[in-house]
Amino acid sequence: QKEVEQNSGPLSVPEGAIASLNCTYSDRGSQSFFWYRQYSGKSPELIMSIYSNGDKEDGRFTAQLNKASQYVSLLIRDSQPSDSATYLCAVNPSRGASKIIFGSGTRLSIRP
Amino acid sequence: DAGVIQSPRHEVTEMGQEVTLRCKPISGHDYLFWYRQTMMRGLELLIYFNNNVPIDDSGMPEDRFSAKMPNASFSTLKIQPSEPRDSAVYFCASSYSPPSGIYNEQFFGPGTRLTVL
Repeated sequence: QKEVEQNSGPLSVPEGAIASLNCTYSDRGSQSFFWYRQYSGKSPELIMSIYSNGDKEDGRFTAQLNKASQYVSLLIRDSQPSDSATYLCAVNPSRGASKIIFGSGTRLSIRP
Repeated sequence: DAGVIQSPRHEVTEMGQEVTLRCKPISGHDYLFWYRQTMMRGLELLIYFNNNVPIDDSGMPEDRFSAKMPNASFSTLKIQPSEPRDSAVYFCASSYSPPSGIYNEQFFGPGTRLTVL
């Protein structure tokens, strides 16, 4: 079992709709969770971080965390063509660990 | 702030040659990470440093890879000898550990695209 799993996609969503990206992780002791966006040929950039169960909203983005189910998701409302990218889920595996483990990423395509 | 700086941005070399990748982290950051990204394997952590000291090098694929951080503003990743399977994008990232202890985000450099012929 991979430490951080994501559906590789591609996920195709019409413009203006909600895009839902999902991620599961294996380490129950994980404390910090991140979503990075990576455009083709560019480096990853952080778009959301979440540390507590529940929802965290930032503009059109909402991160959801369920530690009991070891599940974290990212919702993108009113999807725009500029949201087309690969989204990487990342997990800090346990308290005190100084590294994060990345999933393989989900490729998102917003169709006009 | 200039962000994380990496050089070169592109490197093409022949099998057997030595390759040195360079990274300057964001000033004030105490963690530095080296990653490798390929289509097949995704983003892999190779090694990371805290206050210039290597903490975990378990991701370094083999003895041909080595990394150093002689001071807080400079790190190198060296491959000697290079092989075609080393072709990938190599990213450097840095972060700082706040007093709260909550894990902080990593900021990535633009990457070095390495091609070994």
